[in-house]
Amino acid sequence: SQQGEEDPQALSIQEGENATMNCSYKTSINNLQWYRQNSGRGLVHLILIRSNEREKHSGRLRVTLDTSKKSSSLLITASRAADTASYFCARGNTGFQKLVFGTGTRLLVSP
Amino acid sequence: DTEVTQTPKHLVMGMTNKKSLKCEQHMGHRAMYWYKQKAKKPPELMFVYSYEKLSINESVPSRFSPECPNSSLLNLHLHALQPEDSALYLCASSQDRPSGSRSGSGPYNEQFFGPGTRLTVL
Repeated sequence: SQQGEEDPQALSIQEGENATMNCSYKTSINNLQWYRQNSGRGLVHLILIRSNEREKHSGRLRVTLDTSKKSSSLLITASRAADTASYFCARGNTGFQKLVFGTGTRLLVSP
Repeated sequence: DTEVTQTPKHLVMGMTNKKSLKCEQHMGHRAMYWYKQKAKKPPELMFVYSYEKLSINESVPSRFSPECPNSSLLNLHLHALQPEDSALYLCASSQDRPSGSRSGSGPYNEQFFGPGTRLTVL
């Protein structure tokens, strides 16, 4: 399968805690993106990290990329109940806009 | 306007029906996409249009027929679907480099998704 693998498949934490999700892939990438999806709705782009970058921040989000290990992680700090959603990594191929999504992590943040 | 709209939100159809899904964006994006998503699964790419031309068809059955009438609109025509085609159908758009330009990373790869059409085939 071309899909990336994400772990954990599901994560349950309390508000205020940090959430870490991991993404692994098998082929070379141009960039890796993270998206959030609230139940049964469209996806929202969170952050894009290019293959020549190692770390990127956006608000409470921190993404790292290790191309030697073909892996990425998404850290959400000080989580809130509103962060409850599914999170997908997606790898972007060189030269075109095709995205291949990972299997996703379902995050539940309890008040 | 940074929104991708999709109509209808919900659609129930029989296996002999013909229906269409519609998608619209006014962000000036020249790449548009159709994805299919089953419950608790990631989106799977179906089609990509670039500058109103079909550039990727991920071996989708012919009962799904995409159409891009202009740079803002994307349709997905449905005919003789099967119950296993029931899913959330997502449309997305993104900036794209003009054809012939150098490939590589850039600010172009973020995709904007619509809310989806929940399709049920009876």
